[in-house]
Amino acid sequence: KQEVTQIPAALSVPEGENLVLNCSFTDSAIYNLQWFRQDPGKGLTSLLLIQSSQREQTSGRLNASLDKSSGRSTLYIAASQPGDSATYLCAVRPVDTGGFKTIFGAGTRLFVKA
Amino acid sequence: DADVTQTPRNRITKTGKRIMLECSQTKGHDRMYWYRQDPGLGLRLIYYSFDVKDINKGEISDGYSVSRQAQAKFSLSLESAIPNQTALYFCATSDSRQGVRATEAFFGQGTRLTVV
Repeated sequence: KQEVTQIPAALSVPEGENLVLNCSFTDSAIYNLQWFRQDPGKGLTSLLLIQSSQREQTSGRLNASLDKSSGRSTLYIAASQPGDSATYLCAVRPVDTGGFKTIFGAGTRLFVKA
Repeated sequence: DADVTQTPRNRITKTGKRIMLECSQTKGHDRMYWYRQDPGLGLRLIYYSFDVKDINKGEISDGYSVSRQAQAKFSLSLESAIPNQTALYFCATSDSRQGVRATEAFFGQGTRLTVV
């Protein structure tokens, strides 16, 4: 059974710092991995989607990497800002479920101090 | 306006009451999902639907039922609410016609349900 773990559960950093959020998954047979941002009262916003054949995706100050063989992904946030404060969720789509089921990690709560 | 809209946004209900959470989407997607989120557990799949005539149970369907009234509408019902169903509920959609991005999900803003 696929399990997704995110470390750390919570993180507090000063503004301007570069930071890395970690995600690990137990079964490397996935279609893709997706990083979401969750803000209170605003649902989940998709940040980056990495297909299983890809190694990384970038969007602005965000860079997500995927090492499928080791079951790991990282989300790198450059020059963090207070507006980056949110919960970040990692999710994978296992091949054995047809790819439409999404298995989520519990998230990392990020607080960026001004 | 949001592409995936959930109503109500917040609800407090009593144990034993029947409650329905509604989801509608304007994205034209064929697939719809209901998840619940509990602190420390991430999101878990309750039910999913590939089209109006296709309803499937997810990981934690006990105590819940769903109805796909139209391609754009997918409602979740708690027939007799209990306190451990207190959670944040999310509806999501995806489009099977999008090739490699067919599994990309788009989420509503969530419904916070409290059962007292």
